Amino acid sequence: GAVVSQHPSRVICKSGTSVKIECRSLDFQATTMFWYRQFPKKSLMLMATSNEGSKATYEQGVEKDKFLINHASLTLSTLTVTSAHPEDSSFYICSAARTSGSNYNEQFFGPGTRLTVL
Amino acid sequence: RKEVEQDPGPFNVPEGATVAFNCTYSNSASQSFFWYRQDCRKEPKLLMSVYSSGNEDGRFTAQLNRASQYISLLIRDSKLSDSATYLCVVTDSWGKFQFGAGTQVVVTP
Repeated sequence: GAVVSQHPSRVICKSGTSVKIECRSLDFQATTMFWYRQFPKKSLMLMATSNEGSKATYEQGVEKDKFLINHASLTLSTLTVTSAHPEDSSFYICSAARTSGSNYNEQFFGPGTRLTVL
Repeated sequence: RKEVEQDPGPFNVPEGATVAFNCTYSNSASQSFFWYRQDCRKEPKLLMSVYSSGNEDGRFTAQLNRASQYISLLIRDSKLSDSATYLCVVTDSWGKFQFGAGTQVVVTP
């Protein structure tokens, strides 16, 4: 199967700092990547869809100025949590879709990044 | 109402027994259906897709009931390693993944 990596796996930061999370598809090109957030015992919630070479599409209620997404290449998308606050503490997971277009049936998930904001 | 609903469990299952649970979805236009497995503090991993006619993969059997808008997962001959949270995933008409909150299964010796 396809491999998706995420870095860092865990980060602890002070309130007010910015944190960048990288998501890489290691053995395939991903024109579309997705960023999810998961709180304890809750479902994964889609935050945004990241498209290579264009602006990300954010889900309702997700602040695009707070969660900056850049998909600069076919194998890398980054999520930057700006001015992080304790309520941003969560498990952030990316996924990469192998097919382009509207069929996202094949999504491969990264191992996740656990963010703790003090 | 949530898009995808699951019984959170936990389902405590003796080793070797059978366990089954459902997932209901609200959007009748949902396109594709999956079961993912998520271990504690790990990413989801695809367990199996769910096809209209039902499908089986080893000890795992998935069923889809479009009329009643639910999918099911049955695990036979449960192993200790089956202990995990099972996530129901439904794609909407745009192809986006909608996750359930998961059903926790605990297999006991």
